[in-house]
Amino acid sequence: GNSVTQMEGPVTLSEEAFLTINCTYTATGYPSLFWYVQYPGEGLQLLLKATKADDKGSNKGFEATYRKETTSFHLEKGSVQVSDSAVYFCALGYGGATNKLIFGTGTLLAVQP
Amino acid sequence: DAGVIQSPRHEVTEMGQEVTLRCKPISGHDYLFWYRQTMMRGLELLIYFNNNVPIDDSGMPEDRFSAKMPNASFSTLKIQPSEPRDSAVYFCASSLAGTSSGNTIYFGEGSWLTVV
Repeated sequence: GNSVTQMEGPVTLSEEAFLTINCTYTATGYPSLFWYVQYPGEGLQLLLKATKADDKGSNKGFEATYRKETTSFHLEKGSVQVSDSAVYFCALGYGGATNKLIFGTGTLLAVQP
Repeated sequence: DAGVIQSPRHEVTEMGQEVTLRCKPISGHDYLFWYRQTMMRGLELLIYFNNNVPIDDSGMPEDRFSAKMPNASFSTLKIQPSEPRDSAVYFCASSLAGTSSGNTIYFGEGSWLTVV
């Protein structure tokens, strides 16, 4: 079936470090891919998305590229800030009869000053 | 826009009591989703509606859970009777269209339920 696998956390980084959070997926067809972020005590917010192979989603310095050949959608940021501390969820989405988002387990990022 | 509005934000109840969670989706959104988040199981889709009609309730855990959407601006998730294992954060979310073509799903801030 369709699924998303994320790297386990927590990921602990110092401010201004480079961030990578790995995400791979298993799917038939051509899903859309998403990264959502959840700050403490809040709901999930869309961070970025990509709808087809080779698309790059970007927002707030974060980037992820839809790689069909490696079935991956890794999240990257060149220089993290303390305010980026949150849980990051990779997700894939289908329309039609299976109109739902399938989430990964989430990766906790802790950025230290 | 006010976003997806959920109530209550926090609820503590005793085992066996009925719990009702409420959601107001973003105006004009045709899809409404109920998710549950726990440490053990992560984010699970419980049920979703399209134009007020339940489309997929395969994620609803058991008969103790029920969801309704009487109109386009209101939905409820009810647990009766509640059990300690129902303790979780319940999120309501809505979208203008479904998840096809990358349509964004907007989440509420969640209802934090504790059953003691």
